Amino acid sequence: KAGVTQTPRYLIKTRGQQVTLSCSPISGHRSVSWYQQTPGQGLQFLFEYFSETQRNKGNFPGRFSGRQFSNSRSEMNVSTLELGDSALYLCASSLDRGRFTEAFFGQGTRLTVV
Amino acid sequence: AQSVTQPDIHITVSEGASLELRCNYSYGATPYLFWYVQSPGQGLQLLLKYFSGDTLVQGIKGFEAEFKRSQSSFNLRKPSVHWSDAAEYFCAAATGANNLFFGTGTRLTVIP
Repeated sequence: KAGVTQTPRYLIKTRGQQVTLSCSPISGHRSVSWYQQTPGQGLQFLFEYFSETQRNKGNFPGRFSGRQFSNSRSEMNVSTLELGDSALYLCASSLDRGRFTEAFFGQGTRLTVV
Repeated sequence: AQSVTQPDIHITVSEGASLELRCNYSYGATPYLFWYVQSPGQGLQLLLKYFSGDTLVQGIKGFEAEFKRSQSSFNLRKPSVHWSDAAEYFCAAATGANNLFFGTGTRLTVIP
């Protein structure tokens, strides 16, 4: 059974640009959550998608957005990139949301903003 | 406000020695509790989880954790550490929705 796949693994972008990251959850998993990991702030929850709807959102500005497709694949977008957006972005998939069991993480996308 | 605290930023142990990583939580009700491990440049791997029931939880790689409600703690233990256990360890909590709240992590160094 394939795990959570995140693409690309590495990205370098310039300030002001926008970026889209992709996450394919484990087959059959319907919930996808996104996290940002930085040395200063640690691991922080961005948002969760289930059935193509955002169900939960962390404390991030509106520049951070996401969506989920009918096959449960998810993308997150960051517009008007800032240097502080440099981070490891992790995606996690879960089977369902009514009864949380565990989250399986991808290897992440390392975003560097220059 | 909800919080997960890992008081030790960095721990160094000798190979073969025992290990205990501390985790305290502050929530309105007992959350689901997890320990994850992260190797450099990698994602997070679940070591073990506690939802309810037996307060001593067994996980993968020989790890176990004990839930103590009276102390709001969920400490991770291993009786004998291997060099391959060197990594960063994260305690996390969730209240049912799929949004984990993480501690700041404890970096484990294993010396020969």
